[in-house]
Amino acid sequence: EVQLVESGGGLVQPGGSLGLSCAVSGFNFGDYGMAWVRQAPGKGLEWVANIKQDENDKFYVDSVRGRFSISRDNAKNSLYLHMSSLRVEDTAVYYCARVAFRGYDFWGQGTLVTVSS
Amino acid sequence: IQLTQSPSSLSASVGDRVTITCRASQGISTLLAWYQKNPGKAPKLLIYDASTLQSGVPSRFSGGGSGTHFTLTITSLQPEDFAAYYCQQLYDYPITFGQGTRLEIE
Repeated sequence: EVQLVESGGGLVQPGGSLGLSCAVSGFNFGDYGMAWVRQAPGKGLEWVANIKQDENDKFYVDSVRGRFSISRDNAKNSLYLHMSSLRVEDTAVYYCARVAFRGYDFWGQGTLVTVSS
Repeated sequence: IQLTQSPSSLSASVGDRVTITCRASQGISTLLAWYQKNPGKAPKLLIYDASTLQSGVPSRFSGGGSGTHFTLTITSLQPEDFAAYYCQQLYDYPITFGQGTRLEIE
């Protein structure tokens, strides 16, 4: 059974940093690209970042480029998102997702990040 | 690439047929996916490559279109179908989603 489990969310002050993790099981992690997607309260889905299988290619939405960093450890079957210089508008539920052929076919349940003073 | 969904919200009854439209600001071939999102739950992939039904998704869901105009149709609505729906383009970075369509019980 494919499983993705996010962790690391919480309350952080504006300007602070936070690291999210996504532990995966049930498939060969190194064969797939991975993504982070977020949903702010009452808002729609927003793609945040992608990382290819070999970690050489990473892509970011403009609003987080330079502040967030996506990474992976294929030996640990884990995906990460390091977030710094956090802003109130980064408050959201963050989901990790598996990038399949032409869509994101498996998702975690999400972890809530709240940026507030 | 901007994706514009219409309508933003829709009221319907169990058994109805509904269609949601997604328009892209430039051509994206068929690199479009549709997701269902329920509150507090993870998004669920319904359709990929514009018209291919994801494994395990009921056949009452169908997708169509190419280029800039796409549709998601649900025939014979079931109670569990009342949710939010999002289109997503995978043609180019940044990956983008439509703003969503909320399907509500009439």
